[in-house]
Amino acid sequence: DVKVTQSSRYLVKRTGEKVFLECVQDMDHENMFWYRQDPGLGLRLIYFSYDVKMKEKGDIPEGYSVSREKKERFSLILESASTNQTSMYLCASSSPGTGASYEQYFGPGTRLTVT
Amino acid sequence: GESVGLHLPTLSVQEGDNSIINCAYSNSASDYFIWYKQESGKGPQFIIDIRSNMDKRQGQRVTVLLNKTVKHLSLQIAANQPGDSAVYFCAEMVAAGNKLTFGGGTRVLVKP
Repeated sequence: DVKVTQSSRYLVKRTGEKVFLECVQDMDHENMFWYRQDPGLGLRLIYFSYDVKMKEKGDIPEGYSVSREKKERFSLILESASTNQTSMYLCASSSPGTGASYEQYFGPGTRLTVT
Repeated sequence: GESVGLHLPTLSVQEGDNSIINCAYSNSASDYFIWYKQESGKGPQFIIDIRSNMDKRQGQRVTVLLNKTVKHLSLQIAANQPGDSAVYFCAEMVAAGNKLTFGGGTRVLVKP
C-alpha cells in the first residue's frame, strides 16, 4: 500500500526556533512536495523537488527551506519560526506523469503551532 | 474583520441524496484535474481525475464533469452516505509541470 509518513502529527515550537518537518515515502516516487493548509485557503505549495538534491520554490517559499538528500525523504525547514507559520503542513509525493495519473499521495499532516 | 477566505462554502445534503460540488479553475492552459477528499485529521485522498480531452468521467458513485469553455469543473456524488462528509478540493495542473494548484475547498455535510 502506498504510504507517505510525516515525523510528527502535532508540534509546538517557540518563536525563533529552528523547526524540521520530515517526510518519508515508500513508493520510489521522484516528485515530493510540501504544502501548508490554512482554513478556507486550500493547499498552498511551499517547495517541491523532482529529484535528489533538487528543489524548486513553490508559491509561498518565504521563511522556509528544504532538503532532499535521499529519494525517499524530503525535509521542510523553518529557519526561525514565526507565529504566522502556525499551520497544517502536508507532504505529498508523485511519479512523473507517464500518461496515466498525476495523482499526488499525501501524508497525514503535521499541525504546527508557533507560540 | 475576518477574511472571506477563512470561511469554507458548505453544502448540506440528506443521506441518500445526490450532491454536486462546483469548482472554477483559473488557468486555461491546465490540462489535468483532480478531486480530493479530506476527512478531519487526515491528508487529502484522491477521488477521481480527468484530462482536458474528456468532458466526463465516472467512478464509483462519483462523476466529474469538465467544461473547458467556462473553465468549470464539478463533482457529482450519488447517494451520499455519512462517510462522504468531508472537505472536497479540486486541483488543476498543466501536466508537463507536475504541479497542482488547489481550490479553496467545499465542506460537505451529510445529514442522517
